[in-house]
Amino acid sequence: ETGVTQTPRHLVMGMTNKKSLKCEQHLGHNAMYWYKQSAKKPLELMFVYNFKEQTENNSVPSRFSPECPNSSHLFLHLHTLQPEDSALYLCASSPLDRANTEAFFGQGTRLTVV
Amino acid sequence: EDQVTQSPEALRLQEGESSSLNCSYTVSGLRGLFWYRQDPGKGPEFLFTLYSAGEEKEKERLKATLTKKESFLHITAPKPEDSATYLCAAADSNYQLIWGAGTKLIIKP
Repeated sequence: ETGVTQTPRHLVMGMTNKKSLKCEQHLGHNAMYWYKQSAKKPLELMFVYNFKEQTENNSVPSRFSPECPNSSHLFLHLHTLQPEDSALYLCASSPLDRANTEAFFGQGTRLTVV
Repeated sequence: EDQVTQSPEALRLQEGESSSLNCSYTVSGLRGLFWYRQDPGKGPEFLFTLYSAGEEKEKERLKATLTKKESFLHITAPKPEDSATYLCAAADSNYQLIWGAGTKLIIKP
C-alpha cells in the first residue's frame, strides 16, 4: 500500500447518473492530484490542489467537478459523463506541489460509462 | 513543445535476458526525470528520480541513467516478477510533469 486510498475500485455508470470518486491520504502531504489514464496514452493531469486550494485545472470539462475539503481528502464528482470518459482515474499526493519529488498514487478507480 | 516519448511500446524478454527501455525527452529546463512502475489494476509506483546528465541510480535489477536528451532503464537478468508497464515523466522548468505513454515489459519464464 502506498498510503493513498481510492474508492470505489470499479464504477459503472450511465450517462445520466451522478457519482463521486473518493481519495484519502494520511502521508501528511500538502498536494493532491487527479489524473486520467486511458489505454496506451500518457497520464493526463486533471486537477491539482495545494494546501486545499485548487492551483490547476487543465481544461477539464465541467462534467468533472473536484472538491478538496481538507488536505487529506479529495473527491471527483461526476455527472452526465460520456462514453469517452471511461478510463482509470488516479489520485496522487506529494509533499509539495510543483516540486521535483516523487508522487504517491492510489490504485485507481476503473470507470466505465455506458 | 515539451514531449516525452518512450520506446519500445512493448518488449518481450526471456527470463535472464538483459535489455534497456528508452525515454527520450524534449523539455525546457528539466527539473527531474522520473521512472515509475505500474502493475495491472494498480497505480504507478515510484522507482527513481534523476536530476542531471550523467546521474545513475540502481535498485535491485534496475538501473536508470540520464543524458541531456534521454534516459534509459536498464534491466539486468530480469525475472517474471519484473513484468509491468514502466512509465517515465519529465518535470519542466515550472515543475509540470510531462508523461510518456509507457513501455509494457513482459518477462517469460
